[in-house]
Amino acid sequence: DTGVSQNPRHKITKRGQNVTFRCDPISEHNRLYWYRQTLGQGPEFLTYFQNEAQLEKSRLLSDRFSAERPKGSFSTLEIQRTEQGDSAMYLCASSSVRAREQYFGPGTRLTVT
Amino acid sequence: GEDVEQSLFLSVREGDSSVINCTYTDSSSTYLYWYKQEPGAGLQLLTYIFSNMDMKQDQRLTVLLNKKDKHLSLRIADTQTGDSAIYFCAETVYGGSQGNLIFGKGTKLSVKP
Repeated sequence: DTGVSQNPRHKITKRGQNVTFRCDPISEHNRLYWYRQTLGQGPEFLTYFQNEAQLEKSRLLSDRFSAERPKGSFSTLEIQRTEQGDSAMYLCASSSVRAREQYFGPGTRLTVT
Repeated sequence: GEDVEQSLFLSVREGDSSVINCTYTDSSSTYLYWYKQEPGAGLQLLTYIFSNMDMKQDQRLTVLLNKKDKHLSLRIADTQTGDSAIYFCAETVYGGSQGNLIFGKGTKLSVKP
């Protein structure tokens, strides 16, 4: 399977704990995006990388959130001191610079109790 | 700013055609997308259209774009029960560097046998 993969698929954590999610994009894609989707809503953009450079961050990405993409391959999204409002599906997508299609992974569903 | 709006629900009978509508606000050169999301899953790219096109057809899917009214529609011919899902309209503006997607809230399509 050469699609976008995300791990874990589900994460349940207690409020105040830190969590980290991983995204592995399609191998030849150098653009990687993170989105957040809450119940009944469409995905909302969080941040985007071109290769290893983080080029754009949404105002939704508070200082408790940090994303990295070392070596321009996989990416991690960390949430520190989780809050109940962080409960959502976190989606990763990738694309190539020239192509207009973004391909999404299956998402990581975070539940903060 | 950019905004994408969709009706929230559509119910059709198996074998009928489904038409899902979307309006967007950004008048810049843009790509417009349709994604499908099944319960608990990520987003599947169905098709996309550039704003200088009026129509695009791909098997059972037909996309119509009225650029003057900023109205996009997705027609699914011979709708099947497997088409039951949430359909998201999304836009992006290419001119800058990021190309992040702006999504509507999604239209839940229910197909009755």
